Amino acid sequence: EIVLTQSPDFQSVTPKEKVTITCRASQSIGSSLHWYQQKPDQSPKLLIKYASQSFSGVPSRFSGSGSGTDFTLTINSLEAEDAATYYCHQSSSLPKTFGQGTKVEIK
Amino acid sequence: EVQLVESGGGLVQPGGSLRLSCAASGFTFSSYEMNWVRQAPGKGLEWVSYISSSGSTIYYADSVKGRFTISRDNAKNSLYLQMNSLRAEDTAVYYCAREAVVVAADMDVWGKGTTVTVSS
Repeated sequence: EIVLTQSPDFQSVTPKEKVTITCRASQSIGSSLHWYQQKPDQSPKLLIKYASQSFSGVPSRFSGSGSGTDFTLTINSLEAEDAATYYCHQSSSLPKTFGQGTKVEIK
Repeated sequence: EVQLVESGGGLVQPGGSLRLSCAASGFTFSSYEMNWVRQAPGKGLEWVSYISSSGSTIYYADSVKGRFTISRDNAKNSLYLQMNSLRAEDTAVYYCAREAVVVAADMDVWGKGTTVTVSS
């Protein structure tokens, strides 16, 4: 099983700050890494697919990078509506797995 | 509007059974692969099961293998999850999620979820 480890687990950020979340895979997964945003009492929403491709309708302040085992989600100029938990997800091999999540709080 | 709507959740005793449904609309259901993903209270996301667009290929997480059965009815635009021998650790919100028929695809559309509580 491929284990995805996100860091940090929690981040408290001021609006307009830049947020960086990392996701490390226990073995190489190429670019088969996707990022989701989940707000309280809502279902997850796709932000970034295949490590760096923005999903339709997602604000341009969200971007992703990386390949192999190390990946990054960046939120440029954080807005209040970005308060959520962010998950990475690998679809390279079964079982499909998710990172443990990174909760972003707005100061 | 592309939409997935889960139903069938509820309170069930340990050892009991429940059948979840996911109704799809706004897209050609038979052209997409589907997944069930669950989230225990206060916890992260856990993939449960996958079914190919035709229903011919199925996978399960080890935690549910032998107890859960995924199926679909493309004529009814519906996905199902039959859950037997339920345990307390199966308590979670269960989401159905759409996946494109491409290699290593993401899950681009999710339902709002249905809550399953296993307790005596």
